[in-house]
Amino acid sequence: DSGVTQTPKHLITATGQRVTLRCSPRSGDLSVYWYQQSLDQGLQFLIQYYNGEERAKGNILERFSAQQFPDLHSELNLSSLELGDSALYFCASSPGTSGIKAHEQFFGPGTRLTVL
Amino acid sequence: TQLLEQSPQFLSIQEGENLTVYCNSSSVFSSLQWYRQEPGEGPVLLVTVVTGGEVKKLKRLTFQFGDARKDSSLHITAAQPGDTGLYLCAGVQAGTASKLTFGTGTRLQVTL
Repeated sequence: DSGVTQTPKHLITATGQRVTLRCSPRSGDLSVYWYQQSLDQGLQFLIQYYNGEERAKGNILERFSAQQFPDLHSELNLSSLELGDSALYFCASSPGTSGIKAHEQFFGPGTRLTVL
Repeated sequence: TQLLEQSPQFLSIQEGENLTVYCNSSSVFSSLQWYRQEPGEGPVLLVTVVTGGEVKKLKRLTFQFGDARKDSSLHITAAQPGDTGLYLCAGVQAGTASKLTFGTGTRLQVTL
């Protein structure tokens, strides 16, 4: 158990809909990352938050948005869903402070999104 | 162009064999990590290497960071079916803030 929790575990929805994925980081971690992983593909970095502020952006579509709340949990919002958005979505957290340990990421179990 | 290229992409071997996975880049990294991901689960951190030339051992797994900090390798001795999974290297580019870049991945299957 990494200490990172994600809900829901599975999500099935229709094209055009909007969903929200939730992540709670490890206790004490300030950074939260979101990744998308399609079937048999590597991890695609979407976005990173550090202590409530956006820190880095990757290949995140305009239809997707995220935020990190004062209690450090994070939500990833996916709207106008398309079939191609079906994937595993992972959240990871790291201490985010200085030093080598700052970048070691601990991943949640993921949310499997299926768009029909 | 991927910043971190892993090779091979796929590897299928029998139990007891040895193997090496490579992670290469033209960029310098201040640190490099290796993760293993099993199907349907999140990646799990195996090791972090920091110093050029550093070698770390984790039971049957040996990790090496290149002298120039541009590449790394993972060697598995006497592979077991439990080693099956997706192996990912990830690095923090020297001189950048905090973004961790993941490699393309190596999918390993170990059969009996």
